[in-house]
Amino acid sequence: DAGVIQSPRHEVTEMGQEVTLRCKPISGHNSLFWYRQTMMRGLELLIYFNNNVPIDDSGMPEDRFSAKMPNASFSTLKIQPSEPRDSAVYFCASSLGGSGTEAFFGQGTRLTVV
Amino acid sequence: AQSVAQPEDQVNVAEGNPLTVKCTYSVSGNPYLFWYVQYPNRGLQFLLKYITGDNLVKGSYGFEAEFNKSQTSFHLKKPSALVSDSALYFCAVRDVNNYGQNFVFGPGTRLSVLP
Repeated sequence: DAGVIQSPRHEVTEMGQEVTLRCKPISGHNSLFWYRQTMMRGLELLIYFNNNVPIDDSGMPEDRFSAKMPNASFSTLKIQPSEPRDSAVYFCASSLGGSGTEAFFGQGTRLTVV
Repeated sequence: AQSVAQPEDQVNVAEGNPLTVKCTYSVSGNPYLFWYVQYPNRGLQFLLKYITGDNLVKGSYGFEAEFNKSQTSFHLKKPSALVSDSALYFCAVRDVNNYGQNFVFGPGTRLSVLP
């Protein structure tokens, strides 16, 4: 398996624009996580899905952020409108079911909002 | 709610010396504990985990970790550090709560192995 695949790897956009980050989890995994990493706040969980259903979105900063998982092999994280403070590295991770299973991370998307 | 603390922002060790990266946790149920490593401009890579059984867990690249329930700790260790071990290390806990299976990560510890 190619692992968790995220696209794009880098995104530079202007404030106010819509940004869509994409993630393809490992085949067979039924949990998917979106994290954001910054120097100031470290690694923050934004949202996670179990069997394509959002289970906990309490980490989503505000209504400008939304995430979807239309099927088991694809998820998106959308920011509309984007702001400079959204600049960060966004990671997607997936895991098998069961709390004893580890998560596998993608390479991340480095987002810069200017 | 579960939480993870990594009391040291930075750990420096000489190559060939043993290394320890500390982690303590708080969880209401059974702790499932994980260590990850992050190299520059890369995603997190899984190193090892404790689920149940032997308190000493062995993982990738010669790393091991010791689970201590009474001290609620899960310290990462390696007998002989390599310069290539220099990276950011994250401890994580997973707990089954009302929301299902969520990972909580510590703030990370930057390990520098000096030649």
